[in-house]
Amino acid sequence: DTGVSQDPRHKITKRGQNVTFRCDPISEHNRLYWYRQTLGQGPEFLTYFQNEAQLEKSRLLSDRFSAERPKGSFSTLEIQRTEQGDSAMYLCASSLVGARYTGELFFGEGSRLTVL
Amino acid sequence: DAKTTQPPSMDCAEGRAANLPCNHSTISGNEYVYWYRQIHSQGPQYIIHGLKNNETNEMASLIITEDRKSSTLILPHATLRDTAVYYCIVRASQEYGNKLVFGAGTILRVKS
Repeated sequence: DTGVSQDPRHKITKRGQNVTFRCDPISEHNRLYWYRQTLGQGPEFLTYFQNEAQLEKSRLLSDRFSAERPKGSFSTLEIQRTEQGDSAMYLCASSLVGARYTGELFFGEGSRLTVL
Repeated sequence: DAKTTQPPSMDCAEGRAANLPCNHSTISGNEYVYWYRQIHSQGPQYIIHGLKNNETNEMASLIITEDRKSSTLILPHATLRDTAVYYCIVRASQEYGNKLVFGAGTILRVKS
């Protein structure tokens, strides 16, 4: 395992459809983050998990968005009834919180969503 | 977390040092300064972080002023592959793994 992997890398969908993104963090990492990034902007925090517990959600995470990390390993981010404004890069990051914590987040390559 | 201010863009000649400034005048005592960069179409990548002492690693050096209100990231010999957006982030209490709050960053263009 060499890093955080995200799937799919690209998704094109029609408005109103549901989409799901998957993130596989670095295997020993207990914390997992989701961010969203639109063109020309820095990443915006959406939510994060400590193991399977979702500890914080941004106001950006409307009720159409849901994230899970059922077994404290991989995570999914689902967007229901997509809108054109959901078009963005969705980034996942992981870190190890604990005795060996360095403060570093490891990011995946992102999943780019285009809503037509 | 304290807010940071960075110039929107900078140019640097290949082989020269790139010095990227960051202001964080409202930083508090337990907040660390982190630098990440994002190369086009990739996720952000950690570069370096510090509390009050200067730090150096294989990628860069971080110089934090004595009053901690500003810092400079130094890439000693910039290459074309260093062209990226550089984010300066202030973050409290590294032991608790607080989220990173990104600003717009500085676009660094390294030119041959």
